[in-house]
Parts: sequence; C-alpha cells; structure tokens
Amino acid sequence: EAGVAQSPRYKIIEKRQSVAFWCNPISGHATLYWYQQILGQGPKLLIQFQNNGVVDDSQLPKDRFSAERLKGVDSTLKIQPAKLEDSAVYLCASGNSGQRSRYGYTFGSGTRLTVV
Amino acid sequence: AQTVTQSQPEMSVQEAETVTLSCTYDTSESDYYLFWYKQPPSRQMILVIRQEAYKQQNATENRFSVNFQKAAKSFSLKISDSQLGDAAMYFCAYSFFTGANSKLTFGKGITLSVRP
Repeated sequence: EAGVAQSPRYKIIEKRQSVAFWCNPISGHATLYWYQQILGQGPKLLIQFQNNGVVDDSQLPKDRFSAERLKGVDSTLKIQPAKLEDSAVYLCASGNSGQRSRYGYTFGSGTRLTVV
Repeated sequence: AQTVTQSQPEMSVQEAETVTLSCTYDTSESDYYLFWYKQPPSRQMILVIRQEAYKQQNATENRFSVNFQKAAKSFSLKISDSQLGDAAMYFCAYSFFTGANSKLTFGKGITLSVRP
C-alpha cells in the first residue's frame, strides 16, 4: 500500500510569514495526526482528526496554527504568523486504530521547517 | 496523563554486538499498546516492533525483541547482531487503546550509534 505523503520536504521562511503543509494519509485510514518534533525531542501531538472532525487539538497553538481535513482525506496544517520557535519537523501520521489485528500508525517523511 | 520516559540520551554499540534500549511508562490503563520506532536522518518514523499489553509473550521481529514487564511498566528493546544500518534515533511510544480516539505519546528518544 502507498505510504503517507507529505509536502513540501523542506521550507525556510522568515518570522511573521505564513506557511502551509500538506498531508495525504493511507487510503482507508480514518484517523490523521499532525505532530511537531523539535530537534532532539520526541514528537508532540498537535491535532488529531477522525474523518473530517477534530478529536483532539488541545496542544495546538490556536492563535497561530490552524488545520483542516476536507472530505476526510487530505489535510493541511498552516502557521500564520510563524515564530522562531516553530522551527521543527512536522510529521503527519495516519492510523488504523479501530482494529486490534491491524492496530498501528504510519508516518510520512515530514516537513522540516526553518524560521529565520 | 500517560508519560513515556527514556532516560538514556545516547548509546553506542559495536557492530555485531547486542544492545538494549530502556523505556519506562506510566499509565493507569490496562489495555494499551507499546511501540518502538526508528527514525534515521531521513526523518521517516519506522515501526520496529509492537507489543500488546494484554499479551504476556514478548514480541520479536527478526533481530529485534522486547522485554515487557507490565507490573514494572518497563519496555526495553534488544537489538541483536547490530548492523551499521541500525544507527538512528529510537523512540519508545505508548497508545491507550480507545478505538478511533487512540493516539501515540512518545518518549524523548535515544540516539544509537554503531561502531564498525
């Protein structure tokens, strides 16, 4: 099966600019996650979608971050305006979390964002 | 809240030798999954091994095996016959099984280097 697709691979922007990341999950996976991974740390969940509804966005800085998942498939994560501390890798994952026999998560290759 | 602790930031192993990576977690739940992920410089988060909490038998995948101690809340990864390609960051992760609302919580990771 095809993996989780993410783009772009790299992005460099100046602070206060805006940026958007795109994710296409594995076909049939209802759950989609966006994680932020700061250099040297483990990934931190930003937002979780179930189909096109938000399940958990408690750690999403809503004053500058937004995300949507139209039609329950692709998702876009946006930052506006960006701050220096937003420099990180943004990982998208999709999950098959409803079936024990196939329980697991698949990650995309991530987008490395550098804010200068 | 569930937490995952990886207290060793770095480890090194000689090629062909065996190394064990440690992980502890905290949860009040009884039905959960534990994972070890490998993240090479390409940033792709690759599943190494998965353990279901209700299974007493330790999971194995070729050269990779775990020592799951449920009462002690310990979940270590053993890599046998280490290869140069095993060099990467390794993350321990926890997921409470709630069906569609499940999500992964990661530890801080450990950097494994393999000496030729």
